[in-house]
Parts: sequence; structure tokens; C-alpha cells
Amino acid sequence: GQQVMQIPQYQHVQEGEDFTTYCNSSTTLSNIQWYKQRPGGHPVFLIQLVKSGEVKKQKRLTFQFGEAKKNSSLHITATQTTDVGTYFCAGVGDSNYQLIWGAGTKLIIKP
Amino acid sequence: SAVISQKPSRDICQRGTSLTIQCQVDSQVTMMFWYRQQPGQSLTLIATANQGSEATYESGFVIDKFPISRPNLTFSTLTVSNMSPEDSSIYLCSVDTGGYTEAFFGQGTRLTVV
Repeated sequence: GQQVMQIPQYQHVQEGEDFTTYCNSSTTLSNIQWYKQRPGGHPVFLIQLVKSGEVKKQKRLTFQFGEAKKNSSLHITATQTTDVGTYFCAGVGDSNYQLIWGAGTKLIIKP
Repeated sequence: SAVISQKPSRDICQRGTSLTIQCQVDSQVTMMFWYRQQPGQSLTLIATANQGSEATYESGFVIDKFPISRPNLTFSTLTVSNMSPEDSSIYLCSVDTGGYTEAFFGQGTRLTVV
């Protein structure tokens, strides 16, 4: 079946450093969504990418969707303590509406 | 958008008992989804609940263990039956307002089975 691989599982950064998480699908996606889950919270939608090669920015967050619509990345510039949490990608396949979730990348700010 | 009220937020249950989790949505939605999330893990879809038809279960989940009701377009329940410690997890309900739009989640139910 369809899978979305997400790496790394964890990333420890100093506050002010950058953070990147990558997702790769085994099949072409119709779109990919990104969610943030704070500790003890539920996933919250960040953005959806639909077009091949699409790049979207939200302040310090940059989201990219690959040309082949099989991979995506989220890059955070100059992390802050408010960025702490787990970032999930979730892809929608071409053949159905169901979200296929990546494993998540946990952003940890080093003390 | 959609606002989902999920309850209970947490519970500690004895093994062998059952717990019913409720989700109420502030608008009518076609599909509701039930997920399980083990600590530190990703979301695993248990089933999709459509109003007026039986829920569709994912591989590894069965109706006898996780019966679902969907009596109308704004409400659903998930029951975790005959619980064992392995059922300890966070359970989340979710909706989307269309097949290719963002998903909205309830606050989650943190279940501990002792």
C-alpha cells in the first residue's frame, strides 16, 4: 500500500538554529499536508501543497512540494521555543481521499 | 472549518471493561475518522465512519473490538471493548470538510488500561 516515509525521527537544535524534516512517498500524491502537534495536544493543520514544485512560506516556515509530487519538506529558520513539537506530513494519494501519515519529526530545543 | 468536542479527555479503566468515546462536530460532515496514536508515534487510522452505513475498518482493527456508531452527520462514538493494557493509547477523532482539504481533530482521549 501507499506509504509516506518521514525523516528524521528527532532533531535536536539550539534555539536559533534551523530545522528541516523530509517526507517521501512511494507513489505520486495529489496533495500533501503538514501538521504540528504540540506535546499533549492534537495535530493542527499548517498548510496544504497541491502543485508540482510548489513552495509556500509562513513567516519562518518554508514548505516545498517536489516536482514529481512524491516528496516534500518543511524548513524552519531560526527556531524558537514556540516551535517545539512534532511535525507530521500527510499525503493524499491520487486514487482516494485518505490521509497517509508520515511518522513525524520531533523538534527538540536543546537547553 | 470545524470544531470538534471529544470526550472524555482521559480515563483510567480496568482491563476487561469497555470505554465509549464521543465526538461532536459543530457542523455536518460526511466522513469522520478515528485514529489511535501511541506515545511518540504517528497516527494510525482505525476506521472511517460514514453516516447511514457501517464503518470501514483498516487492517488490524475489527468491529467487535472497536464498534463505531454514526447516528447523524455531527456525531460519532468509538467504543474500545474488552480492554487490555495494550489498548492504552491516545484516541483521536477527525473530520475533513472535503476529500482534499485539511483535517480537524478533537482534543483526544488519553486512555490508560490497568
